[in-house]
Amino acid sequence: EAGVTQSPTHLIKTRGQQATLRCSPISGHTSVYWYQQALGLGLQFLLWYDEGEERNRGNFPPRFSGRQFPNYSSELNVNALELEDSALYLCASSFLPSTSGLAKNIQYFGAGTRLSVL
Amino acid sequence: QKEVEQNSGPLSVPEGAIASLNCTYSDRGSQSFFWYRQYSGKSPELIMSIYSNGDKEDGRFTAQLNKASQYVSLLIRDSQPSDSATYLCAGSFSGTYKYIFGTGTRLKVLA
Repeated sequence: EAGVTQSPTHLIKTRGQQATLRCSPISGHTSVYWYQQALGLGLQFLLWYDEGEERNRGNFPPRFSGRQFPNYSSELNVNALELEDSALYLCASSFLPSTSGLAKNIQYFGAGTRLSVL
Repeated sequence: QKEVEQNSGPLSVPEGAIASLNCTYSDRGSQSFFWYRQYSGKSPELIMSIYSNGDKEDGRFTAQLNKASQYVSLLIRDSQPSDSATYLCAGSFSGTYKYIFGTGTRLKVLA
């Protein structure tokens, strides 16, 4: 069974440009989460999508946005790129347990997209 | 503000020893905790999840949760050089499905 897949592996952009990152969740998973991991820092929660809707958002400016498609894959868009946006962007997926409770919400991560802003 | 805190390390242990990694959290309403291992430049991989007070063992790994004291720990027995990585503690808190991650503890197992 395929895990979470992300593309591209690496992305190089210049300041002011836009970046689009893609994520395909594990088959059967409906939730997709995006995290930013800047060099030497922990994972910072960006966005959570479930069933096509944005469910929660971290403390990031509006130029970070995304969407989830009917097949549950997701895109993260970063507009007006800044140098400090350079980081590893990780996508995770889980299924939302309707009856088994919050405790079963295990997130599985993809390999990430390394974004470099020059 | 919900927080999860870890000592950044590095924590150095000799091969064969027990490595003890600790994590504290600020929200008493927390429900679930997860330990991930992350090798340099790679994505996090799940090691253990723990939901109830007490110990949970899986092979060489034991997770411990104490909700009264608000800490979670991970013990690695018979540490191997291949265990050298950053260990991330994450909590899933009441009212949300998102994780709050600690900054991670870097573990070095010396051969």
